[in-house]
Amino acid sequence: DAGVIQSPRHEVTEMGQEVTLRCKPISGHDYLFWYRQTMMRGLELLIYFNNNVPIDDSGMPEDRFSAKMPNASFSTLKIQPSEPRDSAVYFCASSFSDSFNSPLHFGNGTRLTVT
Amino acid sequence: AQSVTQLGSHVSVSEGALVLLRCNYSSSVPPYLFWYVQYPNQGLQLLLKYTTGATLVKGINGFEAEFKKSETSFHLTKPSAHMSDAAEYFCAVSDRRRLAFGKGNQVVVIP
Repeated sequence: DAGVIQSPRHEVTEMGQEVTLRCKPISGHDYLFWYRQTMMRGLELLIYFNNNVPIDDSGMPEDRFSAKMPNASFSTLKIQPSEPRDSAVYFCASSFSDSFNSPLHFGNGTRLTVT
Repeated sequence: AQSVTQLGSHVSVSEGALVLLRCNYSSSVPPYLFWYVQYPNQGLQLLLKYTTGATLVKGINGFEAEFKKSETSFHLTKPSAHMSDAAEYFCAVSDRRRLAFGKGNQVVVIP
Protein backbone atom coordinates (compact mmCIF):
# COMPACT_ATOMS: atom_id res chain seq x y z
CA ASP A 1 0.00 0.00 0.00
CA ALA A 2 1.37 3.42 -0.91
CA GLY A 3 0.06 5.04 2.25
CA VAL A 4 -1.68 8.40 2.42
CA ILE A 5 -0.53 10.59 -0.45
CA GLN A 6 -0.55 14.36 -0.23
CA SER A 7 0.28 16.94 -2.85
CA PRO A 8 2.02 19.24 -3.23
CA ARG A 9 4.78 18.70 -0.64
CA HIS A 10 5.56 22.40 -0.61
CA GLU A 11 3.46 25.38 -1.63
CA VAL A 12 4.57 28.98 -1.62
CA THR A 13 1.98 31.56 -2.51
CA GLU A 14 1.22 35.22 -2.08
CA MET A 15 -1.36 36.59 0.26
CA GLY A 16 -4.79 36.67 -1.33
CA GLN A 17 -4.22 33.73 -3.64
CA GLU A 18 -6.26 30.55 -3.59
CA VAL A 19 -4.51 27.43 -2.34
CA THR A 20 -5.69 23.85 -2.85
CA LEU A 21 -4.18 20.95 -0.99
CA ARG A 22 -4.88 17.40 -2.09
CA CYS A 23 -5.07 14.04 -0.36
CA LYS A 24 -5.51 10.44 -1.40
CA PRO A 25 -6.32 8.21 1.60
CA ILE A 26 -5.41 4.57 2.01
CA SER A 27 -7.80 2.36 0.07
CA GLY A 28 -10.48 0.90 2.32
CA HIS A 29 -10.19 3.57 4.98
CA ASP A 30 -13.49 5.31 5.49
CA TYR A 31 -12.34 8.09 7.80
CA LEU A 32 -10.30 11.03 6.55
CA PHE A 33 -8.87 13.82 8.67
CA TRP A 34 -7.24 17.17 7.94
CA TYR A 35 -4.83 18.52 10.56
CA ARG A 36 -2.75 21.69 10.72
CA GLN A 37 0.58 21.79 12.57
CA THR A 38 2.29 24.96 13.78
CA MET A 39 4.93 25.64 16.39
CA MET A 40 2.58 27.79 18.42
CA ARG A 41 -0.57 25.65 18.38
CA GLY A 42 0.73 22.15 17.73
CA LEU A 43 -1.56 19.73 15.87
CA GLU A 44 -5.08 20.98 15.31
CA LEU A 45 -7.90 18.95 13.82
CA LEU A 46 -9.57 21.01 11.12
CA ILE A 47 -12.22 18.64 9.80
CA TYR A 48 -12.92 14.96 9.36
CA PHE A 49 -15.05 12.87 7.02
CA ASN A 50 -16.72 9.49 7.32
CA ASN A 51 -17.72 7.78 4.09
CA ASN A 52 -17.09 11.05 2.25
CA VAL A 53 -19.47 13.01 4.51
CA PRO A 54 -18.12 15.82 6.71
CA ILE A 55 -18.74 14.86 10.33
CA ASP A 56 -17.04 17.57 12.37
CA ASP A 57 -15.78 20.82 10.88
CA SER A 58 -15.65 22.76 14.13
CA GLY A 59 -11.88 23.11 13.81
CA MET A 60 -12.02 24.95 10.51
CA PRO A 61 -10.72 28.38 11.50
CA GLU A 62 -12.70 30.61 9.16
CA ASP A 63 -14.95 30.66 6.15
CA ARG A 64 -11.83 31.07 4.05
CA PHE A 65 -11.22 27.36 4.64
CA SER A 66 -13.26 24.68 2.93
CA ALA A 67 -12.84 20.94 2.46
CA LYS A 68 -14.46 18.44 0.15
CA MET A 69 -14.38 14.72 -0.37
CA PRO A 70 -16.06 13.97 -3.69
CA ASN A 71 -15.24 10.26 -3.51
CA ALA A 72 -13.57 7.69 -1.29
CA SER A 73 -10.15 8.21 -2.81
CA PHE A 74 -9.77 11.98 -2.92
CA SER A 75 -10.12 15.01 -0.71
CA THR A 76 -9.17 18.67 -1.01
CA LEU A 77 -8.60 21.46 1.47
CA LYS A 78 -8.95 24.91 -0.02
CA ILE A 79 -7.98 28.28 1.40
CA GLN A 80 -9.38 31.32 -0.37
CA PRO A 81 -8.04 33.94 0.09
CA SER A 82 -4.85 32.84 1.80
CA GLU A 83 -3.17 34.91 4.52
CA PRO A 84 0.34 34.78 6.04
CA ARG A 85 -1.06 33.34 9.28
CA ASP A 86 -2.19 30.28 7.33
CA SER A 87 1.46 29.27 6.93
CA ALA A 88 1.77 25.81 8.49
CA VAL A 89 2.18 22.15 7.65
CA TYR A 90 -1.13 20.56 6.69
CA PHE A 91 -1.54 16.84 7.21
CA CYS A 92 -4.10 14.46 5.87
CA ALA A 93 -4.70 11.19 7.72
CA SER A 94 -7.00 8.23 7.25
CA SER A 95 -8.24 5.29 9.31
CA PHE A 96 -10.78 2.49 9.01
CA SER A 97 -12.48 2.46 12.35
CA ASP A 98 -14.88 4.58 14.28
CA SER A 99 -14.40 5.40 17.95
CA PHE A 100 -10.83 6.44 17.22
CA ASN A 101 -9.48 3.13 18.52
CA SER A 102 -7.54 2.40 15.37
CA PRO A 103 -4.43 4.32 14.44
CA LEU A 104 -4.41 7.24 12.07
CA HIS A 105 -2.18 6.89 9.04
CA PHE A 106 -0.66 10.24 8.14
CA GLY A 107 0.63 11.57 4.87
CA ASN A 108 3.92 13.43 4.72
CA GLY A 109 2.18 16.78 4.79
CA THR A 110 2.08 19.92 2.69
CA ARG A 111 4.23 22.79 3.93
CA LEU A 112 2.38 25.99 3.05
CA THR A 113 4.10 29.35 3.07
CA VAL A 114 2.00 32.45 2.43
CA THR A 115 4.02 35.61 1.85
CA ALA B 1 -13.41 17.74 26.27
CA GLN B 2 -10.40 15.51 26.59
CA SER B 3 -6.89 16.93 26.66
CA VAL B 4 -3.25 15.92 26.92
CA THR B 5 -0.35 17.53 28.75
CA GLN B 6 3.23 16.88 27.73
CA LEU B 7 5.76 18.84 29.72
CA GLY B 8 9.11 19.95 28.36
CA SER B 9 9.01 20.66 24.66
CA HIS B 10 12.66 19.59 24.23
CA VAL B 11 14.18 16.55 25.90
CA SER B 12 17.87 15.68 25.67
CA VAL B 13 19.04 12.16 26.40
CA SER B 14 22.44 10.51 26.11
CA GLU B 15 22.84 7.58 23.78
CA GLY B 16 22.27 4.41 25.81
CA ALA B 17 20.37 6.21 28.57
CA LEU B 18 16.73 5.81 29.55
CA VAL B 19 14.18 7.70 27.52
CA LEU B 20 11.21 8.92 29.58
CA LEU B 21 8.50 11.11 28.12
CA ARG B 22 5.62 12.08 30.37
CA CYS B 23 1.99 12.28 29.33
CA ASN B 24 -0.97 13.17 31.49
CA TYR B 25 -4.47 13.20 30.14
CA SER B 26 -7.97 14.22 31.06
CA SER B 27 -11.03 12.43 29.78
CA SER B 28 -14.62 12.13 30.95
CA VAL B 29 -14.80 8.52 29.76
CA PRO B 30 -12.32 5.62 29.81
CA PRO B 31 -9.75 6.83 27.32
CA TYR B 32 -7.97 5.36 24.37
CA LEU B 33 -4.34 6.49 24.52
CA PHE B 34 -1.70 6.68 21.82
CA TRP B 35 1.92 7.65 21.27
CA TYR B 36 2.95 8.79 17.82
CA VAL B 37 6.42 9.63 16.50
CA GLN B 38 7.25 12.17 13.82
CA TYR B 39 10.57 12.13 11.98
CA PRO B 40 11.72 15.25 10.10
CA ASN B 41 9.64 16.08 7.05
CA GLN B 42 7.32 13.15 7.62
CA GLY B 43 3.86 12.54 8.99
CA LEU B 44 3.13 10.95 12.34
CA GLN B 45 3.49 7.21 12.80
CA LEU B 46 1.91 5.12 15.53
CA LEU B 47 4.34 3.87 18.19
CA LEU B 48 1.84 2.15 20.44
CA LYS B 49 -1.70 2.36 21.74
CA TYR B 50 -3.81 1.44 24.75
CA THR B 51 -7.51 0.73 24.37
CA THR B 52 -8.42 -1.95 26.92
CA GLY B 53 -6.76 -4.85 28.71
CA ALA B 54 -3.14 -4.98 29.78
CA THR B 55 -1.99 -1.64 31.07
CA LEU B 56 1.65 -2.09 29.97
CA VAL B 57 1.76 -1.69 26.23
CA LYS B 58 4.73 -2.52 24.04
CA GLY B 59 5.29 -0.75 20.77
CA ILE B 60 7.75 -0.58 17.94
CA ASN B 61 11.46 0.21 18.26
CA GLY B 62 11.66 -0.94 21.89
CA PHE B 63 9.26 1.63 23.30
CA GLU B 64 6.62 0.86 25.90
CA ALA B 65 4.07 2.81 27.90
CA GLU B 66 2.02 2.11 30.99
CA PHE B 67 -1.54 3.27 31.53
CA LYS B 68 -2.07 4.39 35.12
CA LYS B 69 -5.67 5.33 35.70
CA SER B 70 -5.08 6.60 39.25
CA GLU B 71 -2.44 8.99 37.99
CA THR B 72 -4.17 9.77 34.67
CA SER B 73 -0.83 9.10 33.01
CA PHE B 74 0.54 7.26 30.00
CA HIS B 75 4.30 7.80 30.14
CA LEU B 76 6.52 6.52 27.33
CA THR B 77 9.83 4.79 28.06
CA LYS B 78 12.70 3.10 26.29
CA PRO B 79 15.53 1.56 28.32
CA SER B 80 18.37 2.58 26.03
CA ALA B 81 18.26 5.51 23.62
CA HIS B 82 19.59 5.13 20.11
CA MET B 83 20.59 7.91 17.76
CA SER B 84 17.70 6.92 15.48
CA ASP B 85 15.25 7.81 18.29
CA ALA B 86 15.79 11.52 17.64
CA ALA B 87 12.33 12.72 16.61
CA GLU B 88 9.25 14.43 17.94
CA TYR B 89 6.86 12.37 20.06
CA PHE B 90 3.17 13.07 20.54
CA CYS B 91 0.79 11.65 23.12
CA ALA B 92 -2.89 11.55 22.13
CA VAL B 93 -6.16 10.73 23.87
CA SER B 94 -9.51 9.73 22.43
CA ASP B 95 -12.93 9.82 24.05
CA ARG B 96 -14.28 7.92 21.03
CA ARG B 97 -15.59 11.11 19.46
CA ARG B 98 -12.44 13.13 19.01
CA LEU B 99 -8.69 12.61 19.17
CA ALA B 100 -6.64 15.26 20.98
CA PHE B 101 -2.87 15.53 20.64
CA GLY B 102 -0.38 16.95 23.10
CA LYS B 103 2.10 19.64 22.05
CA GLY B 104 4.85 17.09 21.56
CA ASN B 105 8.36 16.43 22.88
CA GLN B 106 11.35 16.99 20.63
CA VAL B 107 13.89 14.34 21.61
CA VAL B 108 17.58 15.01 21.00
CA VAL B 109 19.99 12.11 21.45
CA ILE B 110 23.50 13.09 22.49
CA PRO B 111 26.30 10.78 21.34
